[in-house]
This record gives sequence, C-alpha cells and structure tokens, in this order.
Amino acid sequence: SQTIHQWPATLVQPVGSPLSLECTVEGTSNPNLYWYRQAAGRGLQLLFYSVGIGQISSEVPQNLSASRPQDRQFILSSKKLLLSDSGFYLCAWRASTGSPLHFGNGTRLTVT
Amino acid sequence: EDKVVQSPLSLVVHEGDTVTLNCSYEVTNFRSLLWYKQEKKAPTFLFMLTSSGIEKKSGRLSSILDKKELFSILNITATQTGDSAVYLCAAHYGGSQGNLIFGKGTKLSVKP
Repeated sequence: SQTIHQWPATLVQPVGSPLSLECTVEGTSNPNLYWYRQAAGRGLQLLFYSVGIGQISSEVPQNLSASRPQDRQFILSSKKLLLSDSGFYLCAWRASTGSPLHFGNGTRLTVT
Repeated sequence: EDKVVQSPLSLVVHEGDTVTLNCSYEVTNFRSLLWYKQEKKAPTFLFMLTSSGIEKKSGRLSSILDKKELFSILNITATQTGDSAVYLCAAHYGGSQGNLIFGKGTKLSVKP
C-alpha cells in the first residue's frame, strides 16, 4: 500500500532564516506531487505541483520554491522566511490526474 | 473566478442527530467533486463524485452530486463524537493537469 511521509511535524523559525520541508511517498511510481498551505479561515491553497522529476509548476508567486530531485521526493524551500509564511503545510500525492489526493500529516510552521 | 463555497462554516449538534453539509462550486471544465474529513492533521479522503444523482455511501456517511445546480451534499446520520472534524469539499477542474480547488470547510462539533 502507498504511504506518504512528511517532516518535521512542527517547526519554529526566525524571520530571515531558510526553510526545507521534505515529503516522500512509498509504494507507487511517478506520482503527481503537491504542496498546499492551509491558513485559518482561508482553506487549502495550492502552492506547487509536480508531474515528474525536475518538473515543478507554481500556482502562487511568493517567497517559496519547490524541487523534485527524485521520483517520490518533494521538497518545499525558502531562502529567507517571512512572517506571512507561517501556516500549516501539507504535502499530497495522487496516482493520476483523475485520482483522489492523499495527504501527509502536515507541518505546522511558525515564523517568529 | 473558480470557487468552491461550503456552508455552514460551523455546526454544533448532539450525538444521534443527522447533519447535512453543503458545497457549491463554480469552476471551469468541472471533472469531479471530492469530500475530505480533517481532524487534527491530514485530510482523509471520503468520496469522489463524478455523476449527477448517484449517491455514494460509506457507513453513516453519504454524498450526492447535482451537476445541473452545481452543488453537492454530505449527509451524516446518527452522528457520533468521533465525527467531529472539519469537512472539506474540493472541485477537480481544468485541463490536462486537473487540479483541485478547496472550500474553506465546515467545522462539525458533535456533543455527547
């Protein structure tokens, strides 16, 4: 069966520091991978998605970037965090365009 | 602008009650409607609906889609405290990538 791992679960970082959140999927090949951010009262916002190694599409221009160095690995990064980057970040995967999304347990990021 | 609107935003009921959660959508090239349950962390997949008028059922939960009126409902019968969660609705839309747009969720609290 497929599983998705996301870490860390919580993170407190100062403004201006770098960020790296990692997500890996097991039990499937060539998944579509996604990064979402969930802010209070705003719902889930799609940040990035990837349909293959090295292929990244950005939905919202901002202070973040994503990379997919391996088939089942998706990384969310920032060179310098802003206060507004605080939120709950969720990684997700799906087998194909028509399949449901399956989410990781999320990372609660607080930028101080 | 593509959007998904859920109502009510929050709901408090007692164990044993039946609840109906609403989701309306306006998206380009609609493909399917998905429901998720989110407790503390990862949203977990409940249903995916693609055809109008066909009810999907899982235990005490059921859902149906109306593609003419552009909405879906999620019903929960004989509610239990374990049903307390945020219920998310998402519309799968668009071209070859077919991404999801989420509503803000309905927070359901079931009191004993």
